[in-house]
Amino acid sequence: AQKITQTQPGMFVQEKEAVTLDCTYDTSDQSYGLFWYKQPSSGEMIFLIYQGSYDEQNATEGRYSLNFQKARKSANLVISASQLGDSAMYFCAMREGQNNAGNMLTFGGGTRLMVKP
Amino acid sequence: GAVVSQHPSRVICKSGTSVKIECRSLDFQATTMFWYRQFPKQSLMLMATSNEGSKATYEQGVEKDKFLINHASLTLSTLTVTSAHPEDSSFYICSARKGGATQPQHFGDGTRLSIL
Repeated sequence: AQKITQTQPGMFVQEKEAVTLDCTYDTSDQSYGLFWYKQPSSGEMIFLIYQGSYDEQNATEGRYSLNFQKARKSANLVISASQLGDSAMYFCAMREGQNNAGNMLTFGGGTRLMVKP
Repeated sequence: GAVVSQHPSRVICKSGTSVKIECRSLDFQATTMFWYRQFPKQSLMLMATSNEGSKATYEQGVEKDKFLINHASLTLSTLTVTSAHPEDSSFYICSARKGGATQPQHFGDGTRLSIL
């Protein structure tokens, strides 16, 4: 079974509108972390936001917020006031356990976001 | 911030050549670094976990003799693609984590490898 699922391969959003990118995860660990990364066409991976499994409040970082619904095992990324520079691939990733082997990340398949002017 | 430098960014070479890619954490020490491979329009697939001073841990299906990893110091890991063939053409990207388990992995800019 997929550990991280991003069901939207591609999405369009109008500039200045908000957009939600979906991410669901599967784990039996009680302690885990969820990350969102942005990958522009140039290839680098840019860290956006982190949510720990024990964090009671949804994480926010500037225009990015994470809609964390633990019971539903979802960690959707919300981008407010979209900008043209937000056009990129977005990956959801999970780190299982507090100190798992190397603390590796498992990535979802990604969502390509395209912002329309 | 945490900076990870990866070099070279682009390699084009003939089949049979061995290619070395370097990954450096510039402003922090990393006992563990990670190497990923990414095919066009696909997600990142973990190849191996690079451990400073010990052997790398490879993911299932990744040939350790093909992809040699050396983590000689707390700031440097290298991936050598030995006797590269066209099917090894891909985007390779490394990462390292600064700090505790809640900290993100920071990625290098990646290396686009093209084998002719």
